[in-house]
Amino acid sequence: ETGVTQSPTHLIKTRGQQVTLRCSSQSGHNTVSWYQQALGQGPQFIFQYYREEENGRGNFPPRFSGLQFPNYSSELNVNALELDDSALYLCASSLGGVGYTEAFFGQGTRLTVV
Amino acid sequence: SQQGEEDPQALSIQEGENATMNCSYKTSINNLQWYRQNSGRGLVHLILIRSNEREKHSGRLRVTLDTSKKSSSLLITASRAADTASYFCATGGGADGLTFGKGTHLIIQP
Repeated sequence: ETGVTQSPTHLIKTRGQQVTLRCSSQSGHNTVSWYQQALGQGPQFIFQYYREEENGRGNFPPRFSGLQFPNYSSELNVNALELDDSALYLCASSLGGVGYTEAFFGQGTRLTVV
Repeated sequence: SQQGEEDPQALSIQEGENATMNCSYKTSINNLQWYRQNSGRGLVHLILIRSNEREKHSGRLRVTLDTSKKSSSLLITASRAADTASYFCATGGGADGLTFGKGTHLIIQP
């Protein structure tokens, strides 16, 4: 149990729709990052938020956007869903930039786009 | 793109045996981390080894790092059925996020 919770656990959406995934960080952590994991692959970095500001982004199009709130919870929004967006979405919280210290991952949201 | 590459892609051993998996990466690093993932769920942090360290232990885990060869290994001793999982190495961090390999899928046979 890492203290990082994600909701929902599973989601089915239709191509073209929009989706919002939520993450509640571990208490005291000021940094949250989001990852996309396709089946059989390792997680791919989407973006990172530090104190409510995006401070890093991977190779994902602008239709992937996010928010971090004052209580350090976070959202990942994906617009105009495509079939290839079907994946496990993971959030990770840490104190400071992930990679410098241990990152705590949630259990993920399994998104299926049909 | 994925910087780290784990080897082998899959490993099946008997309970009680040792399991060794390797990770190679491409660019210089400040540290390298190993994570475990059970059945497509969240990742669990196992160990972080800094670039100036050569070996680190945590319980039944032993990690080595060879920065000259840009490689790391994870050894799990006296394996248990509960060790069945996928294992990932990860490099990078900060504003660039973590870069993961494709993982080694470890199966412990009872």
